[in-house]
Amino acid sequence: GQQLNQSPQSMFIQEGEDVSMNCTSSSIFNTWLWYKQDPGEGPVLLIALYKAGELTSNGRLTAQFGITRKDSFLNISASIPSDVGIYFCAGQLRDQGAQKLVFGQGTRLTINP
Amino acid sequence: NAGVTQTPKFQVLKTGQSMTLQCAQDMNHEYMSWYRQDPGMGLRLIHYSVGAGITDQGEVPNGYNVSRSTTEDFPLRLLSAAPSQTSVYFCASRRGYNEQFFGPGTRLTVL
Repeated sequence: GQQLNQSPQSMFIQEGEDVSMNCTSSSIFNTWLWYKQDPGEGPVLLIALYKAGELTSNGRLTAQFGITRKDSFLNISASIPSDVGIYFCAGQLRDQGAQKLVFGQGTRLTINP
Repeated sequence: NAGVTQTPKFQVLKTGQSMTLQCAQDMNHEYMSWYRQDPGMGLRLIHYSVGAGITDQGEVPNGYNVSRSTTEDFPLRLLSAAPSQTSVYFCASRRGYNEQFFGPGTRLTVL
């Protein structure tokens, strides 16, 4: 089946630093999504990307849909303590007539105050 | 709207026991799905449904059954629980190609 490789698996940074994470795949996706999961909660959508090359921002978050449609990155600028959590990328594609989401393994972000 | 709700929040089973994880949504979404989340594995699709009466298998369907008799409810059944099914289970729903909303999860331990 389709697989997404997300890196890094974990990050330990100081408050105020910028963060960058990315996802790559051998498959082409028609949508890329970035989710954040807080402890004990389900994932919440941060940014959705619908076109190759698209660059989208949501506050301090910026994400891009790669030109080849096989990769995406997420940047967080000037990190703050509430940014702590697990970030997941997800690729959406049509498989046998249904839209399916494939998730990366997640990036666990820890911030030292 | 309550969004996507899941019960129970925590469950401990013995090997061989059966149980049903409940999922409900009040957003009139036609598409619902079940995922399991394991450390280092991300979320993997178990089963999904594109509408009442229609279900299909995802990436890891073995050991799980689903049914969709109404638009609102999408229960996940474990017929004979195994330790390999220890995981956190998330139900999700969406309309069309729009944002997928996740429930708060059920943490299941099988001894």
